[in-house]
Amino acid sequence: GAVVSQHPSRVICKSGTSVKIECRSLDFQATTMFWYRQFPKQSLMLMATSNEGSKATYEQGVEKDKFLINHASLTLSTLTVASAHPEDSSFYICSAQWWQGGRAGDTEAFFGQGTRLTVV
Amino acid sequence: AQTVTQSQPEMSVQEAETVTLSCTYDTSESDYYLFWYKQPPSRQMILVIRQEAYKQQNATENRFSVNFQKAAKSFSLKISDSQLGDAAMYFCAYRSAYAGANSKLTFGKGITLSVRP
Repeated sequence: GAVVSQHPSRVICKSGTSVKIECRSLDFQATTMFWYRQFPKQSLMLMATSNEGSKATYEQGVEKDKFLINHASLTLSTLTVASAHPEDSSFYICSAQWWQGGRAGDTEAFFGQGTRLTVV
Repeated sequence: AQTVTQSQPEMSVQEAETVTLSCTYDTSESDYYLFWYKQPPSRQMILVIRQEAYKQQNATENRFSVNFQKAAKSFSLKISDSQLGDAAMYFCAYRSAYAGANSKLTFGKGITLSVRP
């Protein structure tokens, strides 16, 4: 299957600083990338959907000014956690998919390895 | 809106035995896809199996098979000959066939499967 690389895998930052997480599709061009947040032993919570060159679409309750998403190219999307606080500590996962038309379910989502963010 | 329900938070199975993980969903759509994903301790999400709603035949991938009951909106995963490497969190997920490029996955809460040696 296709490869999605997420970097860094772990990051520890001080409260009040900003952290950037990168999500790259290595061997395909992604029409859409998704960002999820996952708490321990819980499900993936969709934060936002992003398309290359467009503003991200955020899910209800997700702060746009806190979680900044930039989808600069068909192979790169970044999530910046602005002015991070301890409550932002979590596991963040990206996924990427491409759609060439047709039925949406023919599209497979590929996931990055995730980033564990710890804010101290 | 679609919902996916996994009511069992944890299950345990003896190595080499068979286990079934349950999932129900709710949708008003007639064309959709259902998935089972595995998330091992590494937390990398891995696609286990996929079922297309308009196909009556249940999907099978080696030791993994599903029991898809469209009328009952039920989608269970059967793991045969369980192995220690099957220990993971398993998520049931739904995707609409209509939503195009931004079609997103709706996940259940997940179930933690442990395998006893």
